[in-house]
Amino acid sequence: AQSVAQPEDQVNVAEGNPLTVKCTYSVSGNPYLFWYVQYPNRGLQFLLKYITGDNLVKGSYGFEAEFNKSQTSFHLKKPSALVSDSALYFCAVRDITDDYKLSFGAGTTVTVRA
Amino acid sequence: GAGVSQSPRYKVAKRGQDVALRCDPISGHVSLFWYQQALGQGPEFLTYFQNEAQLDKSGLPSDRFFAERPEGSVSTLKIQRTQQEDSAVYLCASSLTRVMSGTNEKLFFGSGTQLSVL
Repeated sequence: AQSVAQPEDQVNVAEGNPLTVKCTYSVSGNPYLFWYVQYPNRGLQFLLKYITGDNLVKGSYGFEAEFNKSQTSFHLKKPSALVSDSALYFCAVRDITDDYKLSFGAGTTVTVRA
Repeated sequence: GAGVSQSPRYKVAKRGQDVALRCDPISGHVSLFWYQQALGQGPEFLTYFQNEAQLDKSGLPSDRFFAERPEGSVSTLKIQRTQQEDSAVYLCASSLTRVMSGTNEKLFFGSGTQLSVL
């Protein structure tokens, strides 16, 4: 079984400040980890993924995420948030032994105030 | 550019009605997924197609739910005798590759169909 927890329903930050969105996962084997972002009235958009290799993964729009195996976490980060980063963020996991089925977290709403 | 297109964008149905939700994936994409997203929740897997073959329908909530992709492109999710608990956003996603290897793995999502059953 695989699952994802996003412990914060909402994250509020001021523009220019660092942004962190937390994610922890549970899989029986090794994970593939993903972040997707959803803007209002738009489909989910891929941000970044961890497959193997470097624990720090860089993605679109200046986002990055750090894979921490011991803490089973994959937190999303951006050094300096923009108002346009305000959206709903989903973390997702797939056990590498599962061919295709992603499990998503419940999502975290990020609001960046000017 | 052409992305994943879903129609209708909104659907209101009376309890007991049948509905059909359409998904037009990106041309050439082999894999197609349907997800159900309840209010305030993340997407939940419903079913998976590889070309025209439905390889996994384990997430379909009941036998009232049926999906098809007869020519390996457009897909339809049909819900018979809708119930209030079917109210959700239904998301379609496609991916270029046949095998989710991780390396090339990236899902492209449509905007979804918001179904409200009264």
